[in-house]
Amino acid sequence: QKEVEQNSGPLSVPEGAIASLNCTYSDRGSQSFFWYRQYSGKSPELIMSIYSNGDKEDGRFTAQLNKASQYVSLLIRDSQPSDSATYLCAVNNQAGTALIFGKGTTLSVSS
Amino acid sequence: KAGVTQTPRYLIKTRGQQVTLSCSPISGHRSVSWYQQTPGQGLQFLFEYFSETQRNKGNFPGRFSGRQFSNSRSEMNVSTLELGDSALYLCASALGGLRDEQYFGPGTRLTVT
Repeated sequence: QKEVEQNSGPLSVPEGAIASLNCTYSDRGSQSFFWYRQYSGKSPELIMSIYSNGDKEDGRFTAQLNKASQYVSLLIRDSQPSDSATYLCAVNNQAGTALIFGKGTTLSVSS
Repeated sequence: KAGVTQTPRYLIKTRGQQVTLSCSPISGHRSVSWYQQTPGQGLQFLFEYFSETQRNKGNFPGRFSGRQFSNSRSEMNVSTLELGDSALYLCASALGGLRDEQYFGPGTRLTVT
């Protein structure tokens, strides 16, 4: 069974700090990687996708992918209280036949 | 562009009954996938439909089934409901498939009593 692992948290950071969220996956052949944000009682909202090794930036968010280490991370710069949510990492299996989610990391940003 | 819509938003059913959930994807998206989210198991992939065909399936029993219509709208059916089926059921749409960005609907909260 292919797995996606995330630290459940909570990860607590002060407002304005950088939040670093990490995710590891077991399927070495995975090619598509996604970060979602989910507020309590709401559905997941796509933040970023990343397909190649390296960094991808979108506003305050940066996704980092290292396929050799089977590791993907999300950095949130200038964290705001509104960023407080659960962040889900999702990884496509090598065959592209399933999307596997981690259990999520809860982020709390204090003002 | 309108997002993914799901109906109904809330359902209460009794054990042994069956239920049908509906999902309308983003216009132009041909892939619709379904997920079950529970506090214990997290978000789990149920199945994916593309061009009216079930293309991929997760590890769920046959009581969980679905279909997709020619306009890409999809339905999911759960028969012989069990207490453990209580969950948030999410539908997501994508342009081409599971390797593409998935956009989620608001979900249907199913409670089985």
